Amino acid sequence: SQTIHQWPATLVQPVGSPLSLECTVEGTSNPNLYWYRQAAGRGLQLLFYSVGIGQISSEVPQNLSASRPQDRQFILSSKKLLLSDSGFYLCAWRGDGQGTEAFFGQGTRLTVV
Amino acid sequence: QQQVKQSPQSLIVQKGGISIINCAYENTAFDYFPWYQQFPGKGPALLIAIRPDVSEKKEGRFTISFNKSAKQFSLHIMDSQPGDSATYFCAAAISNFGNEKLTFGTGTRLTIIP
Repeated sequence: SQTIHQWPATLVQPVGSPLSLECTVEGTSNPNLYWYRQAAGRGLQLLFYSVGIGQISSEVPQNLSASRPQDRQFILSSKKLLLSDSGFYLCAWRGDGQGTEAFFGQGTRLTVV
Repeated sequence: QQQVKQSPQSLIVQKGGISIINCAYENTAFDYFPWYQQFPGKGPALLIAIRPDVSEKKEGRFTISFNKSAKQFSLHIMDSQPGDSATYFCAAAISNFGNEKLTFGTGTRLTIIP
């Protein structure tokens, strides 16, 4: 069966510090991978998605970047965090094909102080 | 640009009542409409989904009603229970290769009171 791992679960970082959130998927190959950010009242905002190794599409201009160094690994990074980067970050994967379900990780609660 | 509009933002329903959450979309190319349920501190999980070739889909106490001409779809929770208290997201996608994005609504926080 497929599983998705996301860590850490919670993170408190000072403004200006770097960030690295990691997501890995097991039990499937060539998944479509996504990073979402969830803020109160704004639902799930798609930040990045990737359809393959090294392929990253950015949905919104921001202080964050994403990378996919391996087929089932997706990393969200920042060189210098801003207060506005605080939020709940969710990694997800979907398979190819019509109407495929998106499976989410447990999320990372990031607080920038 | 928000392509899926969801309402209400929050909803309080008495136990045993019917909870109704509505969504409207703009892009007529969308052909997959899932609903996700999220409990606090957890990632969303698929609850039920529909494709536009049917007007209604029912799974247990959960029903999706779909109106293609109005570009609207809704989630109905019958006999609502306290365990249904969660945030619900509608979503829409174009399910063909090259279009892998799942666009979400802003969410509805549902509270079921005894």
